[in-house]
Amino acid sequence: NAGVTQTPKFRVLKTGQSMTLLCAQDMNHEYMYWYRQDPGMGLRLIHYSVGEGTTAKGEVPDGYNVSRLKKQNFLLGLESAAPSQTSVYFCASTRRRSSYEQYFGPGTRLTVT
Amino acid sequence: GQQLNQSPQSMFIQEGEDVSMNCTSSSIFNTWLWYKQDPGEGPVLLIALYKAGELTSNGRLTAQFGITRKDSFLNISASIPSDVGIYFCAGHNTGNQFYFGTGTSLTVIP
Repeated sequence: NAGVTQTPKFRVLKTGQSMTLLCAQDMNHEYMYWYRQDPGMGLRLIHYSVGEGTTAKGEVPDGYNVSRLKKQNFLLGLESAAPSQTSVYFCASTRRRSSYEQYFGPGTRLTVT
Repeated sequence: GQQLNQSPQSMFIQEGEDVSMNCTSSSIFNTWLWYKQDPGEGPVLLIALYKAGELTSNGRLTAQFGITRKDSFLNISASIPSDVGIYFCAGHNTGNQFYFGTGTSLTVIP
């Protein structure tokens, strides 16, 4: 049982490039989340999904897109990376709405130059 | 978004001392959670609180859900070096979102 895994662990992009971050969970959780963590700002929600095929915007969605084609996977896309998107990105999942115990992945450190 | 204020921002303590930190919000939450994050890792859930006034322990950690539902407290007794890390609070209400505090950085001096 690997829990929540994220790919890649590190990435450097040039401004304007695109990339996709992959989150996978093997706990059969319904809810999945993407956060970004910046110094002094805690974790901020980008997008989330309450089930396969559904996604919703969080607190800071601009510049990102997501997809949840399979229950176990949640993808975060950056279509045209900007230096302001330099951050550490965390994926998390919870079993269902009545369970508020979030399990986090190890993070992806993204630098946009 | 909703702001959760954590204090203190950082703490430097001697091994063996007790630690107290708190989290306050301008909004009411139905659930409070406390996480610990080690360098280069994702946050790990320590304690979840589901009822106002609830006091829950997990080993040397004790957390309380404030009566007003706008605050929560975390205590660590007899600190050890592996307690070093950043501690985050998070609140959840009837929506689908969690709101996180800015973290308390704990350093334990052997």
